[in-house]
Amino acid sequence: DGGITQSPKYLFRKEGQNVTLSCEQNLNHDAMYWYRQDPGQGLRLIYYSQIVNDFQKGDIAEGYSVSREKKESFPLTVTSAQKNPTAFYLCASSNRQVRSGANVLTFGAGSRLTVL
Amino acid sequence: KQEVTQIPAALSVPEGENLVLNCSFTDSAIYNLQWFRQDPGKGLTSLLLIQSSQREQTSGRLNASLDKSSGRSTLYIAASQPGDSATYLCAVMGANSKLTFGKGITLSVRP
Repeated sequence: DGGITQSPKYLFRKEGQNVTLSCEQNLNHDAMYWYRQDPGQGLRLIYYSQIVNDFQKGDIAEGYSVSREKKESFPLTVTSAQKNPTAFYLCASSNRQVRSGANVLTFGAGSRLTVL
Repeated sequence: KQEVTQIPAALSVPEGENLVLNCSFTDSAIYNLQWFRQDPGKGLTSLLLIQSSQREQTSGRLNASLDKSSGRSTLYIAASQPGDSATYLCAVMGANSKLTFGKGITLSVRP
């Protein structure tokens, strides 16, 4: 079955450590996204990538980094510079038919990061 | 900057009731609007997508409408069931392929 796989589902980190969240899709989608979800805040865009080897900052990119070396993969690194990293992180992908408006976003199950 | 608003933040209704969830957005230059469902601790599931040229979409007991000129969308749920209890989020896709989300409406359907 096609879909998006995020790992790990739960992750605990000590302050000062970098952690990398994995996102893999087998939907042959060009565009991939990372969102952060906090209670009462809704989803906020961290980074997005419309094509391999290219990505753009979203609304809250500070303290995060990404790479897009393969179409299927879009890992997110939460660095020690991120002041409040405890959150639920969601990865999504879509096809590139943006101008037709037909690009449904498909989400992974999420990764919950807790900083101790 | 696009802003998406969903009011109220929470809603509780008895089983069987028809209900309407509202979504408003500030910039009408959108490519599409999507409604998602999220169960606690889970990812988002796409329910309906309305392209900017469309007025509504239907799937089963769900019907979503879009009025771009007034910056509004509604999600109509017919004959609500306890299994419909979840958080419902709307999101709009802009020209830069960025999706802007509302904060969601948490629905509770009482048996």
